Amino acid sequence: SQKIEQNSEALNIQEGKTATLTCNYTNYSPAYLQWYRQDPGRGPVFLLLIRENEKEKRKERLKVTFDTTLKQSLFHITASQPADSATYLCALDPNNAGNMLTFGGGTRLMVKP
Amino acid sequence: SAVISQKPSRDICQRGTSLTIQCQVDSQVTMMFWYRQQPGQSLTLIATANQGSEATYESGFVIDKFPISRPNLTFSTLTVSNMSPEDSSIYLCSVVQTNEKLFFGSGTQLSVL
Repeated sequence: SQKIEQNSEALNIQEGKTATLTCNYTNYSPAYLQWYRQDPGRGPVFLLLIRENEKEKRKERLKVTFDTTLKQSLFHITASQPADSATYLCALDPNNAGNMLTFGGGTRLMVKP
Repeated sequence: SAVISQKPSRDICQRGTSLTIQCQVDSQVTMMFWYRQQPGQSLTLIATANQGSEATYESGFVIDKFPISRPNLTFSTLTVSNMSPEDSSIYLCSVVQTNEKLFFGSGTQLSVL
């Protein structure tokens, strides 16, 4: 069966450290993968998209990698801040049609001052 | 980026009643998507709403329970019919714009007593 798996346990880290979140998928062949941030009571907000021919993508303190052999994406936040505390969701387009997305379960990140 | 207004933002409803959620986008979009997020869970796609045609429902969701209207390219409604406590969730509308990114409304927090 098709699955997108993220660590359901909350990730607690100290301010200033690098947070690394993992997204694994099975029985999909996505052309791209996306990461979203969701705060309590809000809809998800798009952060980054990485395509299958890209190994790495960066945006300010965020970095995403995409390994199509391992079927895994890693999401890094460097120099983490308490304001980075949120749930982070990975998502992919199961049909590679450029529209609807299927989401992983999300990982909650808590950055302690 | 699209601006999506969703209302109501929250509601408490009695079992057996129906609630209609509205979603207004500030630009014309071809597809609108309705997602459900049950407590502590990730997002699950309910249906894709296209203007001028019947909505396309995902497995496990049916039109009688979740009727959708899409009268024009900027507006859609989702009705949750004959509600039960199991329908207590956050309901989110979303649209896709350029580069496959999804934009989400802020969601409707529904509690069914």
